Amino acid sequence: KQEVTQIPAALSVPEGENLVLNCSFTDSAIYNLQWFRQDPGKGLTSLLLIQSSQREQTSGRLNASLDKSSGRSTLYIAASQPGDSATYLCAVRIKGAQKLVFGQGTRLTINP
Amino acid sequence: DAGVIQSPRHEVTEMGQEVTLRCKPISGHNSLFWYRQTMMRGLELLIYFNNNVPIDDSGMPEDRFSAKMPNASFSTLKIQPSEPRDSAVYFCASNPGQRVYGYTFGSGTRLTVV
Repeated sequence: KQEVTQIPAALSVPEGENLVLNCSFTDSAIYNLQWFRQDPGKGLTSLLLIQSSQREQTSGRLNASLDKSSGRSTLYIAASQPGDSATYLCAVRIKGAQKLVFGQGTRLTINP
Repeated sequence: DAGVIQSPRHEVTEMGQEVTLRCKPISGHNSLFWYRQTMMRGLELLIYFNNNVPIDDSGMPEDRFSAKMPNASFSTLKIQPSEPRDSAVYFCASNPGQRVYGYTFGSGTRLTVV
């Protein structure tokens, strides 16, 4: 059974810092991995999608990497801003099914 | 593109009442998913459809839950009778079907059963 873990569960940093959020998964049989952002009381906004054959994807100040063999992904946020405060979720699409299996998320707070 | 549209945004109902949640997927997306989010269990897949056909309903917690997709542009998730432990945020998501595409989520329905 695929399990996705995100560490840390919560993170608080001052504005301007570069930071890394971690995601690990137990079964490397995945099609892709997707990072989402969720603001309090809101839905999920897709940030980046990495296919299993790719190593990384970039969008603006965000960079996500994928090491499928070791079951790890990282989301790098450069020059953090208070508007980046949200919960960040990673999810893997498992092979043989269309399920997205989610981690529990990292709640990020950027302090002005 | 209006995205995945869910209604209502909030629902408060009394225990024992029937609740129906609605979802309109993105036009052209062949797959539709219902997820439930709680503090304790995070995001859990309840059921998903491919081309309007239910494929995997193993996440549906009890027989009180049922889902339908009568056509490509509409799906419902029904709880009858509702119980306080059903209180959660219910998300609908859609996907074009091919494995290279990501998922698009709706804004969710926050259900409170009192």
